[in-house]
Amino acid sequence: GESVGLHLPTLSVQEGDNSIINCAYSNSASDYFIWYKQESGKGPQFIIDIRSNMDKRQGQRVTVLLNKTVKHLSLQIAATQPGDSAVYFCTPVSGGYNKLIFGAGTRLAVHP
Amino acid sequence: GAGVSQSPSNKVTEKGKDVELRCDPISGHTALYWYRQSLGQGLEFLIYFQGNSAPDKSGLPSDRFSAERTGGSVSTLTIQRTQQEDSAVYLCASSLVLRQGDSPLHFGNGTRLTVT
Repeated sequence: GESVGLHLPTLSVQEGDNSIINCAYSNSASDYFIWYKQESGKGPQFIIDIRSNMDKRQGQRVTVLLNKTVKHLSLQIAATQPGDSAVYFCTPVSGGYNKLIFGAGTRLAVHP
Repeated sequence: GAGVSQSPSNKVTEKGKDVELRCDPISGHTALYWYRQSLGQGLEFLIYFQGNSAPDKSGLPSDRFSAERTGGSVSTLTIQRTQQEDSAVYLCASSLVLRQGDSPLHFGNGTRLTVT
């Protein structure tokens, strides 16, 4: 089955720095990828998504990069703010199927 | 606007008792999902509904777990004869349509279940 791994379980950054959260996936049939952010005590919140026919997508302060060759994607957060402190999950989807696989997530800690 | 609502937000129950967890999805969302999250862990898929039908129940941990959805709206997750290992946050999500590529999930804030 699909497995989702994260290179750094905890990432600590200084406020104002850029953050990069990495994610590896195993299913080469994955064709759609979603990043979720989960703040303490809340459910995950959609941040940004990317389809497999793209290698980069930008949102507000966030950029997702996809490298299908090595089955890796990253979430870049520009000018990280304290409100960005959360656990981030990448969720690969294959064939539109909805049993999203969430890994353990990466905790982002932003220090003043 | 109104998001996904779950109740209760916290539930403490004694081992062996039954519990019911409720989810009110976003109005008009046809797909509904239940996940479980243990402390410091990722989300474990339990079940999803397309309308009132649950095509995939493979994620339910045991036959003590069941879920239903009525009227294409509210869903309840029932855990019978609760065990301590059932303690977790139970998250509900809904999406406009079933295909993930067309509509991401919107999550509620979960029900924190503690079995003593």
